[in-house]
Amino acid sequence: QKEVEQNSGPLSVPEGAIASLNCTYSDRGSQSFFWYRQYSGKSPELIMFIYSNGDKEDGRFTAQLNKASQYVSLLIRDSQPSDSATYLCAVNRIYNQGGKLIFGQGTELSVKP
Amino acid sequence: DTEVTQTPKHLVMGMTNKKSLKCEQHMGHRAMYWYKQKAKKPPELMFVYSYEKLSINESVPSRFSPECPNSSLLNLHLHALQPEDSALYLCASSQGGSGLGSQPQHFGDGTRLSIL
Repeated sequence: QKEVEQNSGPLSVPEGAIASLNCTYSDRGSQSFFWYRQYSGKSPELIMFIYSNGDKEDGRFTAQLNKASQYVSLLIRDSQPSDSATYLCAVNRIYNQGGKLIFGQGTELSVKP
Repeated sequence: DTEVTQTPKHLVMGMTNKKSLKCEQHMGHRAMYWYKQKAKKPPELMFVYSYEKLSINESVPSRFSPECPNSSLLNLHLHALQPEDSALYLCASSQGGSGLGSQPQHFGDGTRLSIL
């Protein structure tokens, strides 16, 4: 089992619809969860982070965390063609000397006009 | 525009060349990272510096040599690279301190490296 799992997609949604991106993780000790958006040929851009169970909203984006189910999701409301990108879920892993992010494989989202 | 600046944006080098990648951040962060990313794959951590000290080396081959001259600057020195080292090299930074690993990381635009 991979430490962070995402459906690779592509996930295709029509313009204006809600896109739902899902991520599961295996380490119950993980405390911090991040969503990055990466356009083709560009670097990852942080769009959301969440530390507590429940929902966190920022504009059209909502991150949802359920630590009991080891599940984190990203909802994009009113999807636009400009949202077409790969979305990377990342989860922290703590070491004695610091920490690192573990990335999922990414979900490719395509929003059709 | 990002607050983590990487130079050069593109680099082509031969297997016998020596070159360096540079990264600068202006966010007052105390942790900096090097990642390697191949096409259609997630970023892969190479090195972590915390307060200018190397804290994580993910068993990276010695042909990659990191350096952190001060809290704002991070270099990656390259020597005798192989064609399979061709990739996008990303620098990132985060606040640092006791919450290292739990903080959001902010990426630069990357250096696209091609080894001939």
